[in-house]
Amino acid sequence: QKEVEQNSGPLSVPEGAIASLNCTYSDRGSQSFFWYRQYSGKSPELIMFIYSNGDKEDGRFTAQLNKASQYVSLLIRDSQPSDSATYLCAAVEYGNKLVFGAGTILRVKS
Amino acid sequence: DAGVTQSPTHLIKTRGQQVTLRCSPKSGHDTVSWYQQALGQGPQFIFQYYEEEERQRGNFPDRFSGHQFPNYSSELNVNALLLGDSALYLCASSPTGTGSNEKLFFGSGTQLSVL
Repeated sequence: QKEVEQNSGPLSVPEGAIASLNCTYSDRGSQSFFWYRQYSGKSPELIMFIYSNGDKEDGRFTAQLNKASQYVSLLIRDSQPSDSATYLCAAVEYGNKLVFGAGTILRVKS
Repeated sequence: DAGVTQSPTHLIKTRGQQVTLRCSPKSGHDTVSWYQQALGQGPQFIFQYYEEEERQRGNFPDRFSGHQFPNYSSELNVNALLLGDSALYLCASSPTGTGSNEKLFFGSGTQLSVL
């Protein structure tokens, strides 16, 4: 079973700070990676996806991928209390199967 | 666009019973995947249906079975329920083709409690 590992947190950051969420994966064959946000009692919603080594920016969010280190991260700039949620990292296995980490709880304090 | 709809939203069953969960995919989507999310865990892939056939399956026992209908809607059936089957069951739909995972949408889920 391929694995995706995340620190469960909670990660607490003050409002306006940068939140850094990290994820490692075991399957070197994985090529596609996704970050989902999940509010309590709700379904996951896609924030970003990344396929290539390096950084990908979308508004306040930046995804980073390092395939050599099998490491994916998500940076949230200017964190807001509304960003408080669980952030799920996922890797695509063979076919279209998504393998999720257990998620990191983020708490943004105002 | 109604998105991905799942029913029921909540369900309470007892051990040994059988349950059927239903999912209607987002308009334009023809592939349906089912995930199980236990409390405090990430979603785990159960299986995926396309063209009314199971295309891929995760590490779940045969008690978990599914079906896809010609209109792309899908059902998840779980037999001989165990306490450990208590979880949020998520249906996700996507179109086929390149970049399908980028277009994956989750429904709100069915919360199953097994007593």
